[in-house]
Amino acid sequence: DQQVKQNSPSLSVQEGRISILNCDYTNSMFDYFLWYKKYPAEGPTFLISISSIKDKNEDGRFTVFLNKSAKHLSLHIVPSQPGDSAVYFCAASAVEGGSEKLVFGKGMKLTVNP
Amino acid sequence: DADVTQTPRNRITKTGKRIMLECSQTKGHDRMYWYRQDPGLGLRLIYYSFDVKDINKGEISDGYSVSRQAQAKFSLSLESAIPNQTALYFCATRDAGVHEQFFGPGTRLTVL
Repeated sequence: DQQVKQNSPSLSVQEGRISILNCDYTNSMFDYFLWYKKYPAEGPTFLISISSIKDKNEDGRFTVFLNKSAKHLSLHIVPSQPGDSAVYFCAASAVEGGSEKLVFGKGMKLTVNP
Repeated sequence: DADVTQTPRNRITKTGKRIMLECSQTKGHDRMYWYRQDPGLGLRLIYYSFDVKDINKGEISDGYSVSRQAQAKFSLSLESAIPNQTALYFCATRDAGVHEQFFGPGTRLTVL
């Protein structure tokens, strides 16, 4: 049972345009959401996050939107740059029964073409 | 220098062998994690530790064990490796009170 879903495996956009990466979740206990970026042969690096009490968080070219009623979040990158080409993971965090839980989606490969 | 280091970076071994993957961190974080990543899948949690005396099972702990030798060191062992443990393994750390985890560069393990 996949609790965090990234339904599109890949996305290709032109440099300068907006990239929109989507993520859906099923567990209403998740209270914090994170996006990670991963380049080949490297570990994931933290990009941006949002608490469930907010609906938007912005950091430079990156903005994350959260729609709790739809259990949906999205990452917007604008303008997209070739260096943004990477695999992006959505992750959701909760504490259940005293145990910490961070659940990752399968990832989505973003390609930004010059 | 990297904050979270993993050794070895690549390892090929045979079925039935005992393997240890090591993780060290200089971030001073109390919390450390081991994940595995398989092609087409996200990262799945194997074990995590909140301090030297605390070890917790994650989603997929069967076939693995861990040791938290010090605040800065967290090792993952495969007592008897099997081919379906072929994967990319990541160590991560986190400071208490924040959600962001910091990942090492990964260890690519192949079990023949």
